[in-house]
Amino acid sequence: GENVEQHPSTLSVQEGDSAVIKCTYSDSASNYFPWYKQELGKRPQLIIDIRSNVGEKKDQRIAVTLNKTAKHFSLHITETQPEDSAVYFCAASIQGGGADGLTFGKGTHLIIQP
Amino acid sequence: DTEVTQTPKHLVMGMTNKKSLKCEQHMGHRAMYWYKQKAKKPPELMFVYSYEKLSINESVPSRFSPECPNSSLLNLHLHALQPEDSALYLCASSLRGGPGELFFGEGSRLTVL
Repeated sequence: GENVEQHPSTLSVQEGDSAVIKCTYSDSASNYFPWYKQELGKRPQLIIDIRSNVGEKKDQRIAVTLNKTAKHFSLHITETQPEDSAVYFCAASIQGGGADGLTFGKGTHLIIQP
Repeated sequence: DTEVTQTPKHLVMGMTNKKSLKCEQHMGHRAMYWYKQKAKKPPELMFVYSYEKLSINESVPSRFSPECPNSSLLNLHLHALQPEDSALYLCASSLRGGPGELFFGEGSRLTVL
């Protein structure tokens, strides 16, 4: 099955600086790569996703890049703000068609220092 | 309605009890999922119903039993659980099975005594 590795496990940055979280995946057939944000005590929520036919996608301060050859993808957050503090999970689809769910990375606890 | 609704929000049960978790969505989604999340860990897929057909994560013990009465409802029946089953149980839905955004409910926090 799919295996997703995520680094770092904890990331502390100064408010206003950029944050980068990296993930690698094992199954070359995976074609969908979302990022979820989970604030303490709340549900995971999708913040951005990318499909394998695209190399980069941007939404305001958030961007995701995908390198299919190297099987890695990254989340970039610019001009970080206190409300960006949360746990971020990358994920990859399990190719196989139909009803497969997502395989998540272990998560990155992002801390924004004021 | 863009919500996935889970009940109860909290559940405490003994190891001999039988209880159920419920999940409902009215977004017309055709795939629904149960995930288990332990503290400081990622969600782990337990079951998927897509177009009311069940797919199972084979590592999930048989003391967990899913049920999908219709495409809007998903239940998780619990019987003879162990303390290590204590976790947050997240229901999610997606427009259809396969790659796409998951909409999560707020979760049911289960404690097994």
